[in-house]
Parts: sequence; structure tokens; C-alpha cells
Amino acid sequence: DAMVIQNPRYQVTQFGKPVTLSCSQTLNHNVMYWYQQKSSQAPKLLFHYYDKDFNNEADTPDNFQSRRPNTSFCFLDIRSPGLGDAAMYLCATSRDPGSEQYFGPGTRLTVT
Amino acid sequence: KQEVTQIPAALSVPEGENLVLNCSFTDSAIYNLQWFRQDPGKGLTSLLLIQSSQREQTSGRLNASLDKSSGRSTLYIAASQPGDSATYLCAVVGPSNTGKLIFGQGTTLQVKP
Repeated sequence: DAMVIQNPRYQVTQFGKPVTLSCSQTLNHNVMYWYQQKSSQAPKLLFHYYDKDFNNEADTPDNFQSRRPNTSFCFLDIRSPGLGDAAMYLCATSRDPGSEQYFGPGTRLTVT
Repeated sequence: KQEVTQIPAALSVPEGENLVLNCSFTDSAIYNLQWFRQDPGKGLTSLLLIQSSQREQTSGRLNASLDKSSGRSTLYIAASQPGDSATYLCAVVGPSNTGKLIFGQGTTLQVKP
């Protein structure tokens, strides 16, 4: 019954070692979002895809990239993780921009 | 720049009490407002979505209201239960409707048995 699935749930990577987080959805929604949530902070949007159109937030570091090979899957790539990138990464989907957003369980990233 | 504030940051109530969580936003030109619940270490669960043209939405023991002109929303929880213990986040989408949610810091609720 899971609608938005994130893998892995926990990821440990070394400083500077590239890492990829995965998100998939069974809702057939047009929009997929990636949010970063640091400890005791509110989630912050990194970027989103509306269909195949990629929308990057102005303050998202260049270190963060995303791919959406098809409707169901979206990936977050962190090219050279720093200690400051340790956070919970949340994937969300919505039918259209402004529709209700449904979140996955998140991936907690630790950088050593 | 839109800012969302939630007061109080933390709240502790005895089981069975009715309670109200507050959310305020600085720019009244919003597309919609969404309330979420987040359990420790988990993702967000959508509770209610209120469109800018609506005044309130209800789901079970939850009722959310929206007063766009004053930049306020409240989440009313009736007959609180220990299982309601979680962090409650409100978030708004701006008028350009990009879908970007701007979140408040949340209110952490503890319901004591």
C-alpha cells in the first residue's frame, strides 16, 4: 500500500563520496519534490520535477543534482557530500503543483 | 518573502483535552495551506489541505480553519489521545502555485495518558 517509497531508509557515506538516494511512487503523480530537513528544522525544498521539467531552487547548492528517468522514479545525487549535508531527505509527490503533497518515509543521511 | 510561524513550539496536554495549534504567515497571497503530522524520525503525513478560497476543512477529530486576510490558520484537535503525540507542521504554497511548500518550524505535541 506504500504510495511514496524511499530507499534506503538510512544511508551512511564518507565525506566527499558520491551518494544517490531513490524515490518511487505508485500514485502516477506528475510532480515529484525533494526536501531537505536538518535536525529540529523545517523541511526545505531543494528542487522538483513537473513531469520532465526540472525546477531548481535558487539556493540549492550545485552539489545536489536530480534525475527523473520516468514518471515513477526520481533520484537525488549528492556529488561530494559534506558534513553539513547530513539530514533527512524527504521525497514528495502531488498530482499537480498546488495539489496535496504526499511524502515518503524519508532517507536519513549520515556523513562521516 | 513568505515566512510561516507556529506557536507554541511545544505543548503538553492531558488525554481527552481539546486543543488548538496556531500557524501564521506573513504574505496573505497564498494558493493553499496544508497541515502535516511528523512522528520522530519519520516522514510527513498529510492531515488537511485548505484551498485559499476555503474557510475550513474537517477530517475526523481534526478541524483546520483558514483566515487568509489575517494570515492565520488553526488546527483544532478534539478529544486528544496519546497517539496524537507528534510534531505538527503547517505549510503554505504561494500564489504562483509552483507547488513549493514553505513550512513553519512545527509544534511538538505531547498528550499524556
